[in-house]
Amino acid sequence: NAGVMQNPRHLVRRRGQEARLRCSPVKGHSHVYWYRQLPEEGLKFMVYLQKENIIDESGMPKERFSAEFPKEGPSILRIQQVVRGDSAAYFCASSPKDSFANTGELFFGEGSRLTVL
Amino acid sequence: GNSVTQMEGPVTLSEEAFLTINCTYTATGYPSLFWYVQYPGEGLQLLLKATKADDKGSNKGFEATYRKETTSFHLEKGSVQVSDSAVYFCALSSASKIIFGSGTRLSIRP
Repeated sequence: NAGVMQNPRHLVRRRGQEARLRCSPVKGHSHVYWYRQLPEEGLKFMVYLQKENIIDESGMPKERFSAEFPKEGPSILRIQQVVRGDSAAYFCASSPKDSFANTGELFFGEGSRLTVL
Repeated sequence: GNSVTQMEGPVTLSEEAFLTINCTYTATGYPSLFWYVQYPGEGLQLLLKATKADDKGSNKGFEATYRKETTSFHLEKGSVQVSDSAVYFCALSSASKIIFGSGTRLSIRP
């Protein structure tokens, strides 16, 4: 099963530490999306990336958050100096090149649950 | 901006009951509309979709019709099962991304 793989599934950090969340898209998919799900809330769009490019980062907080999708390797969502409000589930999704306009379907990973103590 | 509003949960039904989860949207242009489902501990998966007005999406006994005049995309199922217990998200396509509603938690009693 070569679905979207996210790790770690669970991550605990203390305030001020850094969190790195990794996402390997479905094999052959070149588009990656990150969403954040706060407790008892819906999914909020954060960022959309293609290989080596950030296409839309309108949902990313201006500070402490960054994302990349290098030519080789997984996509990384990085949160510096975490605060308690960063505690959430972070979901990665992928889609094949050019398919979104036709199908709109995203393939989601199981999420990474960040807890900030 | 584009947005989705869906009925708040949780919704609790008995097995074999009729299900409706309301969803309305605000959008410029003509977005595609979706229902995604999230089972406990898992990521979201596409349940059904409709790409233009009056289209009906259907899957696993669930249906939803794209109503442009009422800007709605309500999810229905005639007879729910315990295995349908999950969180359901209404969503629309907006430029290069999908915008989700806040989700409705559905619990089915045996």
